[in-house]
Amino acid sequence: EAGVVQSPRYKIIEKKQPVAFWCNPISGHNTLYWYRQNLGQGPELLIRYENEEAVDDSQLPKDRFSAERLKGVDSTLKIQPAELGDSAVYLCASSLGDRGTSSYEQYFGPGTRLTVT
Amino acid sequence: EDQVTQSPEALRLQEGESSSLNCSYTVSGLRGLFWYRQDPGKGPEFLFTLYSAGEEKEKERLKATLTKKESFLHITAPKPEDSATYLCAVGGATGKLIFGQGTTLQVKP
Repeated sequence: EAGVVQSPRYKIIEKKQPVAFWCNPISGHNTLYWYRQNLGQGPELLIRYENEEAVDDSQLPKDRFSAERLKGVDSTLKIQPAELGDSAVYLCASSLGDRGTSSYEQYFGPGTRLTVT
Repeated sequence: EDQVTQSPEALRLQEGESSSLNCSYTVSGLRGLFWYRQDPGKGPEFLFTLYSAGEEKEKERLKATLTKKESFLHITAPKPEDSATYLCAVGGATGKLIFGQGTTLQVKP
């Protein structure tokens, strides 16, 4: 069974430029998460989708970050414009179902390492 | 506020030297405690879920245990390939996972 797929794996951009990350979850997983992981830290949730609905985006910096999950499968996370402090690894994860319980195991993709210069 | 603290931050062991990693947590309405392994340049890999105090789970040289305030990841006779960062996370009533900062384990041959 294929795992969570993310692209690109690495991205280097100059500040103020836009950037987008793509995620394809495990087949059949209706819950999708985007996390940001800074060096030496654990992942921090940015947004959680149940099918195509964003059910928790409280940690998403909405002035520059946006996300979408069309048709409840693939998802895209965008930053525009990027700032130096956005340099981090952006992880996508999926699970079978969440229903607000967090009781389902989340499976992570390899992440996209973003460097903003 | 849900919170997770892992200790130590880093641990160096000789091959075969058993030890334990600690995960202390506070959470409103525990729905699950999760252990992940993360290798450099990769995403976290799921290891275990524990749901209630007293529960234990094992996988090869790893054994996870849970109390009402903390979880331990015991590593028995580790090998160099066990070297990685181990992450602990709790899921509570808020519906989100809160991760600790991780423990980086290095096992020397």
